Amino acid sequence: AQKVTQAQTEISVVEKEDVTLDCVYETRDTTYYLFWYKQPPSGELVFLIRRNSFDEQNEISGRYSWNFQKSTSSFNFTITASQVVDSAVYFCALMTTDSWGKLQFGAGTQVVVTP
Amino acid sequence: DAGVIQSPRHEVTEMGQEVTLRCKPISGHNSLFWYRQTMMRGLELLIYFNNNVPIDDSGMPEDRFSAKMPNASFSTLKIQPSEPRDSAVYFCASSLAGAGGGKSPLHFGNGTRLTVT
Repeated sequence: AQKVTQAQTEISVVEKEDVTLDCVYETRDTTYYLFWYKQPPSGELVFLIRRNSFDEQNEISGRYSWNFQKSTSSFNFTITASQVVDSAVYFCALMTTDSWGKLQFGAGTQVVVTP
Repeated sequence: DAGVIQSPRHEVTEMGQEVTLRCKPISGHNSLFWYRQTMMRGLELLIYFNNNVPIDDSGMPEDRFSAKMPNASFSTLKIQPSEPRDSAVYFCASSLAGAGGGKSPLHFGNGTRLTVT
């Protein structure tokens, strides 16, 4: 069975602080994909990143960076120099190759950035 | 490029009424998904189509729910009769399954917020 745990329910930071969101996953499959989505207050789900299980390279995109570690089954997400526009719920999700489309979402982490 | 388009954005209806949610996937995408988001259960997959054919409907809660995809550019999710516990945000998503087995990420629409009173 697949499971995604986002232990942090809410994180509050002041603008320009860095914030790291934790994601721990469980799966018995050797081939899988991990995702992060952002859900701003307007409600839409915005795709941020996808990693496959064979690619453990960390990735940076602007102020966003991701740290994928298979040894600890973690796929953490860091926002550097946070801005008010980063305020949203962030979801980590897991998908295995034999269940394409069936994203197993974590519960989400609410990020609140205050000026 | 236009993203996934869902309508309506908000729907308020009375218990027992029929509700139809609509989705237009991204042009060229051949997989379409319906998800539901509630406070209690989070985001969960209801049904998924590939090339307009339903592949996995194991997440559809009960017979009151039905989904169709008559062509590559349109899908509906129908609830008949609706009940208050169906109140949720319903998301449609689409992706492209490549010939080599590669698939693009799921891109979601803005969702339909359904309230059943």
